[in-house]
Parts: sequence; structure tokens; C-alpha cells
Amino acid sequence: NAGVTQTPKFRILKIGQSMTLQCAQDMNHNYMYWYRQDPGMGLKLIYYSVGAGITDKGEVPNGYNVSRSTTEDFPLRLELAAPSQTSVYFCASQTASNQPQHFGDGTRLSIL
Amino acid sequence: QKEVEQDPGPLSVPEGAIVSLNCTYSNSAFQYFMWYRQYSRKGPELLMYTYSSGNKEDGRFTAQVDKSSKYISLFIRDSQPSDSATYLCAFREGGGNKLTFGTGTQLKVEL
Repeated sequence: NAGVTQTPKFRILKIGQSMTLQCAQDMNHNYMYWYRQDPGMGLKLIYYSVGAGITDKGEVPNGYNVSRSTTEDFPLRLELAAPSQTSVYFCASQTASNQPQHFGDGTRLSIL
Repeated sequence: QKEVEQDPGPLSVPEGAIVSLNCTYSNSAFQYFMWYRQYSRKGPELLMYTYSSGNKEDGRFTAQVDKSSKYISLFIRDSQPSDSATYLCAFREGGGNKLTFGTGTQLKVEL
């Protein structure tokens, strides 16, 4: 009963470093999403995917990249970490259009 | 005008109280309406998912949608300390894939 699994749970990066946030789901969901959540700002969509090999930008994509080579995995890449990317990152998945999204427990990222 | 407005709280109520959480929106294309509950250091958890105007009940929770006024509410009856969390409203356009979230209302239910 894993659902959406995000790793790591916490990470501290130095400015300019790169890292990949991992997201995996075992529900065979076609749709996957990456959000960031900042205090008092709600969740903002970074990137999303409607199936393997298909990705698209959300509201705040700058500084991030994604890939979707399998249905199960949707990693988020930060190439040159900046302090403005300090946030909590959530991955979500959805079985089909107009169905609700199910979220992982997030990755807390600090960039110093 | 913001696309979604949600009172951030914090809202503090005694155990057993009826809680009313509200969101207003301006996008007439929103057709799907959701409430998520988020505990501290956890991901959002879907509570209610509705499509049409009117009420939908699930246990102690009732979701109300008024499309004509662009207003949705979540009512919690007989509130419990375990209901202490942040509640997020969320919206989706018909045929769309993306959600638009409110900023969340922090609720504390005290013994």
C-alpha cells in the first residue's frame, strides 16, 4: 500500500549544487505532478506529465527539469540550486483526467 | 483579484464545535471542487471531491458548492483534536489536468 513515494525526505544543498528529487508511484497512474509549497503561498505546479515520454510546464518551471521514462517514476532535477528554491516539494499522481490527485509526503529542501 | 481566496486563519475551536472553512474563486471555468487536509510535515490528503453545486456529505464532513456565488465551504461537525490540520481548497477546470489551490486554513481543535 505504498501509493506515492518521495525520496529523500530532507536535504540541504549548497548554492550551485544539483540534485534529483525522486518520485515513484505503484498505482499505475498515467498522470503525475510536481508542486512546491512555500509558507502562505499554497501549492504551485512546477511540471506535470500525462504519460511516459510526455511532460509539460506548470506555473513555476524555471530552474527545474523533469523526465518521464516509465509510468512509475517522475524525477525532478535541480541543476544549479538557488536559495529561492528552498521549499517543500510534493509529487502527486492521478489515474485519469478529472480524477483526484494523490500526494506523497514531500521532500524538504534547504539551499544555503 | 486572486483566482482563489482562502482565509489563512489560524482558526481555534473547542472540541465538539462545528467548523466552517470557506473559499471563494473567480474562474468560471472551474468545474471540479476539492478539499484536502494536510497534517504537519505530511502531504495533502483528499477529503472531498465534488462536481456539481449542492452538498456532499461524508461522515462528519460536508462539502458545499455554490457555483452562482463562486463559493465553496467545508463543514466539520463534532470536531475532534485529530481534525487539527491545514485545510486546502482546490479547483480544476472541466477537461483540465491542473489544480489551483487556495493558500490553506490552519485549524486547531482544542480539548
